Amino acid sequence: AQSVAQPEDQVNVAEGNPLTVKCTYSVSGNPYLFWYVQYPNRGLQFLLKYITGDNLVKGSYGFEAEFNKSQTSFHLKKPSALVSDSALYFCAVRDMGGNAGNMLTFGGGTRLMVKP
Amino acid sequence: GAVVSQHPSRVICKSGTSVKIECRSLDFQATTMFWYRQFPKQSLMLMATSNEGSKATYEQGVEKDKFLINHASLTLSTLTVTSAHPEDSSFYICSAGGDNNQPQHFGDGTRLSIL
Repeated sequence: AQSVAQPEDQVNVAEGNPLTVKCTYSVSGNPYLFWYVQYPNRGLQFLLKYITGDNLVKGSYGFEAEFNKSQTSFHLKKPSALVSDSALYFCAVRDMGGNAGNMLTFGGGTRLMVKP
Repeated sequence: GAVVSQHPSRVICKSGTSVKIECRSLDFQATTMFWYRQFPKQSLMLMATSNEGSKATYEQGVEKDKFLINHASLTLSTLTVTSAHPEDSSFYICSAGGDNNQPQHFGDGTRLSIL
């Protein structure tokens, strides 16, 4: 079985400061990892993914994430936060070794609040 | 890029009404689509996997007779909430894609409010 944990319900940062949104995962095989962002009353927008290769993945809107196999983590980061980054962020995993097809398992979500 | 269109975006109706929500993949074919339910300030809960040309696969605890899924073509899946009641009020989101290591693409969701 696969699972994802986002330990923080909310992260508060000041505009211009770096931000980190944490994610840890558990899978039986190798993971496909994704970050999505959700704005109010909207669906999810894809930010970035890790499949294989470099552990540091760069994505949309200046976001990046680092895959750490030993810590089973995939934290989302951005060097300088913008007020417009305020949204709900979801980490998701798909087990490459599983038989669940394309099904994703989502973390509980982290609300990012960037204050001016 | 790949786009998933979900319609309607909002429905307000009386208790006992059946509501149909459509999910379309606009520029790619999707043999599999997913339907999620999201409660306020919570994560997405997978309800069912919609399979083109065959029966949907429902997650544990989801009533298949309550939430009817039809995936009649490679670009369209529908979710019908039958005889909806206030407890069915929620935000419903569909997604498609994910083949060949690509990310799933999500519709913009449907906010269902049952009075």
